[in-house]
Amino acid sequence: KNQVEQSPQSLIILEGKNCTLQCNYTVSPFSNLRWYKQDTGRGPVSLTIMTFSENTKSNGRYTATLDADTKQSSLHITASQLSDSASYICVVRVNTNAGKSTFGDGTTLTVKP
Amino acid sequence: DTEVTQTPKHLVMGMTNKKSLKCEQHMGHRAMYWYKQKAKKPPELMFVYSYEKLSINESVPSRFSPECPNSSLLNLHLHALQPEDSALYLCASSQDVRGGAGELFFGEGSRLTVL
Repeated sequence: KNQVEQSPQSLIILEGKNCTLQCNYTVSPFSNLRWYKQDTGRGPVSLTIMTFSENTKSNGRYTATLDADTKQSSLHITASQLSDSASYICVVRVNTNAGKSTFGDGTTLTVKP
Repeated sequence: DTEVTQTPKHLVMGMTNKKSLKCEQHMGHRAMYWYKQKAKKPPELMFVYSYEKLSINESVPSRFSPECPNSSLLNLHLHALQPEDSALYLCASSQDVRGGAGELFFGEGSRLTVL
């Protein structure tokens, strides 16, 4: 069964600190992996998208890594800001014509002053 | 700002009402999706439209009826809903349904409350 597991479930850090969120998946055949940020009550916004051949991709203070061999991805946030408080969702897309994606349960990040 | 526009942002309806959620995108995407999201849970796929044809229905109850009038518009017609249908309904689009078609672009969602 295709699955995406994220850890930790929730995380509290102080403003200015760094943190790393984890995503392990068993989705096959793999097409791409995306990290989304979702503020409470709003739609998810894409942070990065990574394909099989990509190991690292940065978007400002966000850096995502992908190890396709171990089927693991991480999202590193540097110099956290209060506005980073949100749910971060890992989404893996299968390489078929079905249009389906498998969502992780998300990590809820709270940044405190 | 998202390029997928959903209306209304909030909707309160009784169990006997008929209402519709609307979604619009002008990115030329040929795949559009409806997701349902309960609090503190990830989005759950409901329907997928590919080139204006329904390609996936995830066993959604018939009280939810999707419609794709053209490649830019996606509607979700609601009738005889139950209180447990209260949720955030998200519309999304992508270039097409193929796995390598890049990312999903989400709208801001429509918050539905069924009384």
